[in-house]
Amino acid sequence: GESVGLHLPTLSVQEGDNSIINCAYSNSASDYFIWYKQESGKGPQFIIDIRSNMDKRQGQRVTVLLNKTVKHLSLQIAATQPGDSAVYFCAENMGYGGSQGNLIFGKGTKLSVKP
Amino acid sequence: KAGVTQTPRYLIKTRGQQVTLSCSPISGHRSVSWYQQTPGQGLQFLFEYFSETQRNKGNFPGRFSGRQFSNSRSEMNVSTLELGDSALYLCASSSGQGDTPLHFGNGTRLTVT
Repeated sequence: GESVGLHLPTLSVQEGDNSIINCAYSNSASDYFIWYKQESGKGPQFIIDIRSNMDKRQGQRVTVLLNKTVKHLSLQIAATQPGDSAVYFCAENMGYGGSQGNLIFGKGTKLSVKP
Repeated sequence: KAGVTQTPRYLIKTRGQQVTLSCSPISGHRSVSWYQQTPGQGLQFLFEYFSETQRNKGNFPGRFSGRQFSNSRSEMNVSTLELGDSALYLCASSSGQGDTPLHFGNGTRLTVT
């Protein structure tokens, strides 16, 4: 029978446009946040991270914004390209006793880029 | 640097059997974490090993276990397989110290029939 899966939010953008992917995180004690990109058949790929003492960080074509007041994270991709099509996950870490390996992942957003 | 390597890429097992998955971390990384990814539950943390010691554990039954060797390579074992164990199992490595991102392998796709 058909499996019940997560109904991923989908964002469809035109090539060259900017994309904004949003994420609400769960724990106000989280102090480290990461965005990952996952393409079909591959594992999550690190994009950018941000610590809780920052509210903005920029990378190459990507910017992450952190709003701790409302526990919200966003990923902005400038000049989106077809190669950006993938599922994007935000992840938070609460750093239990120095453990950085336990990430809590969001449900993911599927980004589709139309050429 | 070579990335995280997971073997095998695909596995088909029968209910009741056991399975061992292998992970080689990025050179110099001492922390290895394991995750289960399913369409229904998404990405869920299984456990983390650092310097051969389990440092953290997720909410999975005792049938799921792991270990880490002195060269930081890690294995995870699932005993008495159930249909619901069908998933993509991902291994990730990091330095294990400070705020550093996890780097994931491409996973082992396990199908239980």
